[in-house]
Amino acid sequence: QVQLQESGPGLVKPSETLSLTCVVSGGSISGYYWSWIRQPPGKGLEWIGYIYYSGTTTYNPSLKSRVTMSVDTSKNQFSLELSSVTAADTAVYYCARPLRPGFIYGFEHWGQGTLVTVSS
Amino acid sequence: QSVLTQPPSASGTPGQRVTISCSGSSSNIGSKNVNWYQQLPGTAPKLLIYGNDQRPSGVPDRFSGSRSGTSASLAISGLQSEDEADYYCAAWDDSLNAVVFGGGTKLTVL
Repeated sequence: QVQLQESGPGLVKPSETLSLTCVVSGGSISGYYWSWIRQPPGKGLEWIGYIYYSGTTTYNPSLKSRVTMSVDTSKNQFSLELSSVTAADTAVYYCARPLRPGFIYGFEHWGQGTLVTVSS
Repeated sequence: QSVLTQPPSASGTPGQRVTISCSGSSSNIGSKNVNWYQQLPGTAPKLLIYGNDQRPSGVPDRFSGSRSGTSASLAISGLQSEDEADYYCAAWDDSLNAVVFGGGTKLTVL
């Protein structure tokens, strides 16, 4: 059974860069689109973007200027960087994988989520 | 404001059938598959429906999805107390080139 686990600092200062990694276990990172999704406290879900195992990326236009995703197939993990963060970036960040190879969405597998707070 | 529009709340009594709507446009629901997610408090979302009306393995057939034009619906029959959760619709949007979510519907089982 595929498992995803996010890791990274739980507290980031305003204007700095948020960095998270998602480690994939129980399955290969190859063949899939891997997404980051966030959820501010008490609010709804927001898709941040995806990275294909080959490295191709697509980002949400609302965050595109600040987002960078990367993948390390040798370590079976992928990462998110969000620059120039503000309090509005405080959220639970999830990594997620779709149901089948080639699917961009239809997220069947999710990490447990990690709360990132932006505060000085 | 979300690209996909859902009612903020819905309710029903045990055993009842409840539907949750999701309204979009021709660039998303009108031309792309719709997914539905269930999120229990403090947990990650769970995929309930993909491809408009398909259930992943393990999802009870009490949950069903449909799409018509630029709207989609999630129906829950035989409502149970454990169905009390937030429900989200999602689709790809060709204009934004992004996955878009509805704002979520909080379902209360009375």
